[in-house]
Amino acid sequence: DAGVTQSPTHLIKTRGQQVTLRCSPKSGHDTVSWYQQALGQGPQFIFQYYEEEERQRGNFPDRFSGHQFPNYSSELNVNALLLGDSALYLCASTSRGALPYNEQFFGPGTRLTVL
Amino acid sequence: EDQVTQSPEALRLQEGESSSLNCSYTVSGLRGLFWYRQDPGKGPEFLFTLYSAGEEKEKERLKATLTKKESFLHITAPKPEDSATYLCAVQPQKGSASKIIFGSGTRLSIRP
Repeated sequence: DAGVTQSPTHLIKTRGQQVTLRCSPKSGHDTVSWYQQALGQGPQFIFQYYEEEERQRGNFPDRFSGHQFPNYSSELNVNALLLGDSALYLCASTSRGALPYNEQFFGPGTRLTVL
Repeated sequence: EDQVTQSPEALRLQEGESSSLNCSYTVSGLRGLFWYRQDPGKGPEFLFTLYSAGEEKEKERLKATLTKKESFLHITAPKPEDSATYLCAVQPQKGSASKIIFGSGTRLSIRP
């Protein structure tokens, strides 16, 4: 049973560029959340997708957007990259049927470096 | 404002030396509290979920406990392979069930 997968593993971009990160949820999961983790900090919630719609959003600007596809996979897009966007981006999945105590399973993350 | 604070930030122990990690939280009602282990450059690995004060859960050398204001992760006779960052997270009762708030973690290092 494959867990949560993310691609790419590492990415280097320059300021002002745009980036797309991808996530495939664990088998049987239909809900995907994205987190940003700066070095030495805990993950910060960006947003969550369910039924191809953004359901909840954290304190992140509109430069951060996402998408969920019919097969439940998801993309995170970041426009106009800033140096401060350098971080580990984590995708987590869960099953809506497991609410209200949803235990999220995380992927290995994508390390984004903005120069 | 919902908040999670973990202490200490870093902890170095000798192999076999038991200790506890603390997670104190302020939330408007608790739906669940989670403990994760994270190795460098990897995603967090789920360890435990606690739902109500007085609850305890164990896994190998780890035991998690919960009170109304804090949670402890007790590590008994740790081994070098237990070295990692341990993250605590809470899911508030109020609002969407999708939002989980993490602490900054405790970096645990076990010396052989």
